[in-house]
Amino acid sequence: KNEVEQSPQNLTAQEGEFITINCSYSVGISALHWLQQHPGGGIVSLFMLSSGKKKHGRLIATINIQEKHSSLHITASHPRDSAVYICAAGGSQGNLIFGKGTKLSVKP
Amino acid sequence: DVKVTQSSRYLVKRTGEKVFLECVQDMDHENMFWYRQDPGLGLRLIYFSYDVKMKEKGDIPEGYSVSREKKERFSLILESASTNQTSMYLCASSSGTDRFGYTFGSGTRLTVV
Repeated sequence: KNEVEQSPQNLTAQEGEFITINCSYSVGISALHWLQQHPGGGIVSLFMLSSGKKKHGRLIATINIQEKHSSLHITASHPRDSAVYICAAGGSQGNLIFGKGTKLSVKP
Repeated sequence: DVKVTQSSRYLVKRTGEKVFLECVQDMDHENMFWYRQDPGLGLRLIYFSYDVKMKEKGDIPEGYSVSREKKERFSLILESASTNQTSMYLCASSSGTDRFGYTFGSGTRLTVV
């Protein structure tokens, strides 16, 4: 079993829809990261969470430490949100343990 | 704007060649990491470094070595490239004080033929 599990693996949405991507982890963490990767490879850090909730524009990330679960929400989705979203657990040595990613496609 | 710069975006090398992948960061970060990314396997840690001249093995260090002679530069070395090392390689850095705020390079897509 992977230490960081994401669901769904693939997600197709219509423009304007509310999107949720889920992440469960089985390891102890110091922080939970949400990353975005566009075609071409570059990865951008969206959020780093150790508790509660963070918001940036149309993106919201939440974490429940007791349940070892985090969610990434996108409100009013847009085609430019199409990307792979990756959840990663911050390990005790500072490295990241990655989920396999969720490929999001938002159709106009 | 803070940056992690990887020297090559695309690279094609022959089997058996020694390959150097360079990564430079301008944020004075203590921690630097090399990952590889493969379809279906996600990102996996190859090596990381917490300080100059220090290195630690990650999950898949076989066939690789690293060098960190200066704080800003972390090099990944493929001693004798093989076709199973064809992959996307990503460098990242983070600060010891903001330890889990990561910045990634744009990646090097390496093809070994």
